Amino acid sequence: AQSVTQPDIHITVSEGASLELRCNYSYGATPYLFWYVQSPGQGLQLLLKYFSGDTLVQGIKGFEAEFKRSQSSFNLRKPSVHWSDAAEYFCAVGRTNAGNMLTFGGGTRLMVKP
Amino acid sequence: DGGITQSPKYLFRKEGQNVTLSCEQNLNHDAMYWYRQDPGQGLRLIYYSQIVNDFQKGDIAEGYSVSREKKESFPLTVTSAQKNPTAFYLCASSMLGNTEAFFGQGTRLTVV
Repeated sequence: AQSVTQPDIHITVSEGASLELRCNYSYGATPYLFWYVQSPGQGLQLLLKYFSGDTLVQGIKGFEAEFKRSQSSFNLRKPSVHWSDAAEYFCAVGRTNAGNMLTFGGGTRLMVKP
Repeated sequence: DGGITQSPKYLFRKEGQNVTLSCEQNLNHDAMYWYRQDPGQGLRLIYYSQIVNDFQKGDIAEGYSVSREKKESFPLTVTSAQKNPTAFYLCASSMLGNTEAFFGQGTRLTVV
């Protein structure tokens, strides 16, 4: 069965600093990978997705992620964090047997220091 | 505007009562999903439906029921059999195949 691990429960960075959120997955086939962001008490917004092709994918709000098959990783990055990026971030892998059921990691809560 | 609407945003229920959470989408998506989110945890799949009048159990279906009588609607009933129903519930929808899922704003259910 597939699984997703986000090793960092909380991360604090200073505004303007770079950011990397880690995600490791376990899946037997080619994974379909996603990063979502959630503000408190809100639903999830898609940041970016990887289905195939270029392993470096660009998303909204200046985020990017790199798929590394050899490391089973899909880390999220941003070169310069803004205070508005404070939120919870979820990595997910899609189950490819039709539809798009997702298996989620436990999430990483990002705090941004002024 | 196209999107997914969940209602109500907050819901309180007494122990032993069933309660139904509403989810409506106007994105013309075939597939709809219910997830449960607990503090500090990721989302877990409760039920999903890929076509009208058909649905399947997800990973934590016990104590929940759903129906899919219309393409746009996928209500979730939390029954009295659900032992720990207090949680944040998120509805999502997607096209069939490997595309992204779109999420509603969630319903926070509290058992009092």
